[in-house]
This record gives sequence, C-alpha cells and structure tokens, in this order.
Amino acid sequence: KAGVTQTPRYLIKTRGQQVTLSCSPISGHRSVSWYQQTPGQGLQFLFEYFSETQRNKGNFPGRFSGRQFSNSRSEMNVSTLELGDSALYLCASSLQGYNEQFFGPGTRLTVL
Amino acid sequence: GQQVMQIPQYQHVQEGEDFTTYCNSSTTLSNIQWYKQRPGGHPVFLIQLVKSGEVKKQKRLTFQFGEAKKNSSLHITATQTTDVGTYFCAGPDNQFYFGTGTSLTVIP
Repeated sequence: KAGVTQTPRYLIKTRGQQVTLSCSPISGHRSVSWYQQTPGQGLQFLFEYFSETQRNKGNFPGRFSGRQFSNSRSEMNVSTLELGDSALYLCASSLQGYNEQFFGPGTRLTVL
Repeated sequence: GQQVMQIPQYQHVQEGEDFTTYCNSSTTLSNIQWYKQRPGGHPVFLIQLVKSGEVKKQKRLTFQFGEAKKNSSLHITATQTTDVGTYFCAGPDNQFYFGTGTSLTVIP
C-alpha cells in the first residue's frame, strides 16, 4: 500500500506570496490532518478534513485554509506569506480521524 | 486550551543506558499515542494506549498510561543508536495535540 505523499517537497517563496501544498492520503483513508512543525513551536495542528468537510481547526489565522476533494486528496493554502510561516508542513491520514496517524514526508516551506 | 508537555526536552545517554520521557496533559485524554521522528524524517506511529493504567511493551520500549489518563511515559531499556530521534506523545481532544517532544541522543 502506498504511503502518504506530499508535493512539493521543498518550496521557496517571498513574503506576500501565496502557496498551495498538496497531500494524497493512503488509499481508503478519509481523514486528512495538517500540521505545522517548527523548532520553536513543535508540532501544531492546523486542521482536519473528513469526507470533504473540515471537522476541526487549530489556532491559526484565516490566511491558512484547506480543502479536501472527493478522492480524499487534500490541499492547504497559505496566503500573504510571512517570514514566520517558514516551517515543515506535514499532512497525516487516518481511517477515521484521531486514530493512528500516517504522516507524509512533509513540505519544507521557506519564506524569504 | 489544552496543553501537552513533555520532559525532558533533551536527553543524551550513553549507548546501553536506559531512557524515559514523561508526558503530561492539562486535561483527561481518551487515548494517548506515541510517535517517533528520526532526524530529517517524519513522525511514525509507535503505539496507542486507551485504558487507565495500561502498560504495553514493544521489545525494549515500555509505554504506560496514567490512572487519571492525564499522563504517560515511554521507557527504553538499554538504548541503541537506532533509538535516536524525537519522541512525541499525542492525544485527541477537539483537535489532535502533540506534546513538546523529547529529543534523544545516544552516544556510542
């Protein structure tokens, strides 16, 4: 069974730009969660989607948004990038939400 | 909001020594999960504990869930260089909360 894939793996953007990250979950997994990982703040929950609906959202500004498609693939978008958005963005899929989470390799975003 | 703290933040051990990381939640958890993240890698699920006082073992790793379901621990016996990485506990509430992590360095 193929694992969770994320594209792109690396991204460099400048302040004010926007970015879209993509995540393909394990086949059959309907829940996709997104996390931001930084050295100072650790792993922070962004949001979780299940069957195309956002079920939960973390404490991030509205610049961070996401969506899930009917095939369970998910995208997250960050608009008006700030330097502090530089981080590793991880997505994780699971069968039904907060059970065992299978993480993708992450997208390393650098904002200059 | 809920907080999940882990101590210590960093731990250096000589190969063969034991290691323990402690996880404390500000609220009662329905379950607790442990993940390991190797340097440069992504978190990988290790185990899930559900019952109060539950203890589970995986070879040299022993996981424990507290009686009040607010704390947990991971103990590694006789560490090896392959144990290097950051260990996170995580628990669900209205969202999924990861602990602050314990970074383990094993000195050969």
